[in-house]
Amino acid sequence: DSGVTQTPKHLITATGQRVTLRCSPRSGDLSVYWYQQSLDQGLQFLIQYYNGEERAKGNILERFSAQQFPDLHSELNLSSLELGDSALYFCASRPGTGYTGELFFGEGSRLTVL
Amino acid sequence: GNSVTQMEGPVTLSEEAFLTINCTYTATGYPSLFWYVQYPGEGLQLLLKATKADDKGSNKGFEATYRKETTSFHLEKGSVQVSDSAVYFCALSTGANNLFFGTGTRLTVIP
Repeated sequence: DSGVTQTPKHLITATGQRVTLRCSPRSGDLSVYWYQQSLDQGLQFLIQYYNGEERAKGNILERFSAQQFPDLHSELNLSSLELGDSALYFCASRPGTGYTGELFFGEGSRLTVL
Repeated sequence: GNSVTQMEGPVTLSEEAFLTINCTYTATGYPSLFWYVQYPGEGLQLLLKATKADDKGSNKGFEATYRKETTSFHLEKGSVQVSDSAVYFCALSTGANNLFFGTGTRLTVIP
């Protein structure tokens, strides 16, 4: 158990809909990362937050947005969903500034868009 | 820029065979290097890491040595088991921001 919690584990929805994925980082971790893993593809970095502020942005679509709240949990919002958004979405956390070690990953949220 | 190039898969081996998964990197500064493993239906778990040149990371019979001169961090195991079947990701970190991942290598071990 990495200590990173993601909900929901599975989600099935229709095209055009909007969903929110939630992540609780390890206790005390200030940095939260979101990744997308599509079928037969590697990990695509989406976005990073540090202590409530956006720190780095990767290949995140304009239809997607995220935020990190004062209690450090994070949400990834996916809107106007398309079939191609079906993927595993991973959240990971890390202590923060000055720490260059590994990320700790949650078990992922599997999104299926029909 | 920072990037990781990983051996393409899939890789299929018989049980007890020797495993090598190649990983080379490009980085500014002095990165930390990692191997993550993703078992079927699960998230990514750290397998091993090395934080400076010539360090050897090891875990569960897997090893990788940080080679600065060849910018490599190849993953090896002397005798694979069916339970090692998974996707393996090489990654690097140069600071407190993003980890850069390779594309992953799927390993299947057959009895």
